[in-house]
Amino acid sequence: DAGITQSPRHKVTETGTPVTLRCHQTENHRYMYWYRQDPGHGLRLIHYSYGVKDTDKGEVSDGYSVSRSKTEDFLLTLESATSSQTSVYFCAIRQGFPTDTQYFGPGTRLTVL
Amino acid sequence: AQTVTQSQPEMSVQEAETVTLSCTYDTSESDYYLFWYKQPPSRQMILVIRQEAYKQQNATENRFSVNFQKAAKSFSLKISDSQLGDAAMYFCAYRSDSGAGSYQLTFGKGTKLSVIP
Repeated sequence: DAGITQSPRHKVTETGTPVTLRCHQTENHRYMYWYRQDPGHGLRLIHYSYGVKDTDKGEVSDGYSVSRSKTEDFLLTLESATSSQTSVYFCAIRQGFPTDTQYFGPGTRLTVL
Repeated sequence: AQTVTQSQPEMSVQEAETVTLSCTYDTSESDYYLFWYKQPPSRQMILVIRQEAYKQQNATENRFSVNFQKAAKSFSLKISDSQLGDAAMYFCAYRSDSGAGSYQLTFGKGTKLSVIP
């Protein structure tokens, strides 16, 4: 257990509304990630952060923004949700030396109607 | 860009038997990590095993072991003495060790493993 929580765990929203997903970690990890999981695609990186206020884009960043004002929180925002953003969203942390491995939160299922 | 291919969308195994899940990857790098993650119906992503490319010895974790063939860019997962709790989606993942960038994981599309009692 890497001490990662995600909120909400489930959300249903309508097209065009803003949505913010929260990832919270308790172990002071520097790197945090947001992935989305869709059938037939595995997990794909949306955005990542390498420190407070330090973020960068991943493979599928269009339509998403992120913020990290504190080490423990990494927020993912859909400014205007679309049906194509219906997905399961996973947050992950990178645990450094010695394991250097990513560990995942429990996921958030988002449905955009 | 690196790609990861899992050619078996679904597999099944009898309880107590052995099964091997396949994974191939494409990269021009020499230093990297490979991982297998398990995703049961609970949706939680659980690390099963990891392999550093510079290590020739295959990683082992209890009933789980890998066959890492660097030249062939192959990284298969063997599950011995399969148990009902092994039923899940299994994802192979690649991570560069270039020392720069995001350290992101590139995932395959997954293999759904069923265990038959």
